[in-house]
Amino acid sequence: DIQMTQSPSSLSASVGDRVTITCRASQGITNYLAWYQQKPGKVPKLLIYAASTLQSGVPSRFSGSGSGTVFTLTISSLQPEDVATYYCQECNSAPRTFGQGTKVEIK
Amino acid sequence: EVQLVESGGGLVGPGGSLRLSCAASGFTFSTYSMNWVRQAPGKGLEWVSSISSSSSYIYYADSVKGRFTISRDNAKNSLYLQMNSLRAEDTAVYYCARSHSSGWNDYWGQGILVTVSS
Repeated sequence: DIQMTQSPSSLSASVGDRVTITCRASQGITNYLAWYQQKPGKVPKLLIYAASTLQSGVPSRFSGSGSGTVFTLTISSLQPEDVATYYCQECNSAPRTFGQGTKVEIK
Repeated sequence: EVQLVESGGGLVGPGGSLRLSCAASGFTFSTYSMNWVRQAPGKGLEWVSSISSSSSYIYYADSVKGRFTISRDNAKNSLYLQMNSLRAEDTAVYYCARSHSSGWNDYWGQGILVTVSS
């Protein structure tokens, strides 16, 4: 099974900062990777799919990159409404493993 | 508008059974694979099971294999998860999610809480 490792597990940044979250797959998954945002007490929401394609309605300050085994989610200018936990998920094959999550807070 | 509504959760004792349902609307249910994803209290997301559009392909996480059964009824636009031999560690919010053909979950239900406790 493919293992997904996210780093960091949590971060605290100021409004307007550039934030980067990394997700590493234990084996190559080409671009079969999705990112989700889960705000406290809410349902997960798809942010990015196919590693770099923004889901409709997602602000353009979010972007994704990577291929193979290393992927990144970047928030170009952190906003208060971005406080959430972010998860990557490999979509290459079952089991569709999630990363352990990265909790983003405002400093 | 795509809607996924879970039902059937609740409190059950260890070793008990529950059947979750997910009612789908707003899209052609019979053409999409579907997933169950769970989240234990204060923990991360865990993929549980997937079923293809025609039920030809079914997959389970090792943690539930042999105890849970996923199924669907395309005539009723419904997804199910039969959960047997429940354990305390199965306590979680269970989400029904629609799967894009390439595997990501583009729509999620509101979730339903399953609590396994004596």
